[in-house]
Amino acid sequence: DAGVTQSPTHLIKTRGQHVTLRCSPISGHKSVSWYQQVLGQGPQFIFQYYEKEERGRGNFPDRFSARQFPNYSSELNVNALLLGDSALYLCASNLQDIREDTQYFGPGTRLTVL
Amino acid sequence: GNSVTQMEGPVTLSEEAFLTINCTYTATGYPSLFWYVQYPGEGLQLLLKATKADDKGSNKGFEATYRKETTSFHLEKGSVQVSDSAVYFCALTSSNDYKLSFGAGTTVTVRA
Repeated sequence: DAGVTQSPTHLIKTRGQHVTLRCSPISGHKSVSWYQQVLGQGPQFIFQYYEKEERGRGNFPDRFSARQFPNYSSELNVNALLLGDSALYLCASNLQDIREDTQYFGPGTRLTVL
Repeated sequence: GNSVTQMEGPVTLSEEAFLTINCTYTATGYPSLFWYVQYPGEGLQLLLKATKADDKGSNKGFEATYRKETTSFHLEKGSVQVSDSAVYFCALTSSNDYKLSFGAGTTVTVRA
């Protein structure tokens, strides 16, 4: 079975632009989470979606938004990009509840903001 | 809120040496504890987990015991290999939470 897939792999944008990152969960997984990993730090939680509903949101500005589609894939959108948004963006999926299920991570999208 | 504090790296070891990476946590509710590993150029992979006090997680020769009295979940391996070179992250989620809270990561390099 395919693991969590993310696209694109790498992305270069300039300040003020908008970006959309995409994630496809493992087949059968209904929960998708997004994390931001700045170089040299641990991943920071951005959003979790379950059955197309937002179930949790981290401490990120409103420039960050996400959604989950009926096929459980997800998009992360970031508006008005800042230099500090440069990071590895990780998507993770699990069956339902991360306290009981293993959360599987994708390879990430490396975003560089110039 | 929930937080994880990890031993700072980088850590450099020789093959067959003993590895310990310290991890302590602060959490509300009843946390589940995890160790994730990130090999060079790859995504995060779950290494082991423990869901209640005194549980021991183990995988690939690595072990960690959930110590509620010391709020710790230290990672150990008795004899490391070059292939264990990676970044290791301690993480937790608690009973009233839907996210993983990660430590800053510890870079481990094993030399032949």
